[in-house]
Amino acid sequence: EVQLVESGGGLVKPGESLRLSCAASGFTFSSYGMNWVRQAPGKGLEWVSSISTSSSYIYYADSVKGRFTISRDNAKNSLYLQMNSLRAEDTAVYYCARQIAAADYWGQGTLVTVSS
Amino acid sequence: DIVVTQTPLSLSVTPGQPASISCKSSRSLLHSDGKTFLYWYLQKPGQPPQLLIYEVSNRFSGVPDRFSGSGSGTDFTLKISRVEAEDVGVYYCMQTIQLPYSFGQGTKLEIK
Repeated sequence: EVQLVESGGGLVKPGESLRLSCAASGFTFSSYGMNWVRQAPGKGLEWVSSISTSSSYIYYADSVKGRFTISRDNAKNSLYLQMNSLRAEDTAVYYCARQIAAADYWGQGTLVTVSS
Repeated sequence: DIVVTQTPLSLSVTPGQPASISCKSSRSLLHSDGKTFLYWYLQKPGQPPQLLIYEVSNRFSGVPDRFSGSGSGTDFTLKISRVEAEDVGVYYCMQTIQLPYSFGQGTKLEIK
């Protein structure tokens, strides 16, 4: 069974940093590109970032470019999102999702709240 | 950037009746390889999105056959032949032919 479990969310102040993790199991992690997608409270879905299988290709939404860094560790079956210079508008549930361009499995999400 | 527009934004349907959601993109989602990068998701209350339809018309594993997708180019439709209570939630279409990937605003389906 494919499982994606996010962690690392929490309450931080504007300008602070946070690192999200996504633990994958039930499939060959190294064979799939991965994504981060977020959802602000009561709002729709927003694609954030994607990374290819070997990290050769990395993409970001303009809204997070230069502040967020996506990475992965295939040996640990894990996906990460380093979030720096956080803003109030980054407040959202962050989901990791398997497979670039056709996200087929999603985790339950982790809530990031940016507030002073 | 590609803009994806869904209509209607909300839908109230009697169980057993059909439902239809439209999704229009600002440019063609047809790739030169012949694939069309349009996907449909359902987000049930309190849950993450789940994939329903990939590449316009292919049902994902485990998706009931009352769900169907159609369309081409820039105009797409998700149809539910007979709505059931478990179908409530927000439906999103998504394009992945061009970065940044983008979602429609979502269509909230309620049961009458």
